[in-house]
Amino acid sequence: QVQLVQSGAEVKKPGASVKVSCKASGYTFTSYDINWVRQAPGQGLEWMGWVNPNSGSTVYAQKFQGRVTITGNTSTSTAYMELSSLRSDDTAVYYCARERGNYHYYMDVWGKGTTVTVSS
Amino acid sequence: SYVLTQPPSVSVAPGKTARITCGENNIGIKSVHWYQQKPGQAPVLVIYYDNERPSGIPERFSGSNSGNTATLTISRVEAGDEADYYCQVWDSSSDHRLFGAGTKLTVL
Repeated sequence: QVQLVQSGAEVKKPGASVKVSCKASGYTFTSYDINWVRQAPGQGLEWMGWVNPNSGSTVYAQKFQGRVTITGNTSTSTAYMELSSLRSDDTAVYYCARERGNYHYYMDVWGKGTTVTVSS
Repeated sequence: SYVLTQPPSVSVAPGKTARITCGENNIGIKSVHWYQQKPGQAPVLVIYYDNERPSGIPERFSGSNSGNTATLTISRVEAGDEADYYCQVWDSSSDHRLFGAGTKLTVL
């Protein structure tokens, strides 16, 4: 079945970077874009950006421009989200999600999430 | 801040109909998608393209979209429907994906 399996929880100090992985299985990795969405404790969903694993093209939310890098490795069917210069308010659950649609895109399969805690 | 406006909470008795709205100027010209998120779990797609249901989603879930408001309707509400619900659209000008702030559905 289609699955996105994310890496384990991380604890980082302010100013550090974190790299979260998302391994896809059950479908052709290069056929669908991967989005990253985060959720701070008690808050709503916040879209961060997406990657086209086939071309490597990316689009990032303005809020994260310059701090986030989303990539895809077609040989391992794995997407990555790296966030740098971490602050305490980056503490959140980070989700990857497969995207579908021909324009008016939506996310049909989600990973279980990776908790990132930023604390000194 | 969120561009898509959702009520923070909606309450409904079991067996009744719940309606959760998502507002934006001219949202009717976009396609709206809805996600259900239960505590401690990842979001689940329940409606896409305004009113399409993924396989496995009960027929009790439906959607509509017109003018400035999209609506997720849950008929014959069950205790298991208690969750947060988020609407989402694609912004064609920026190629960004936008979420509403979410609505907490409470089953009384």
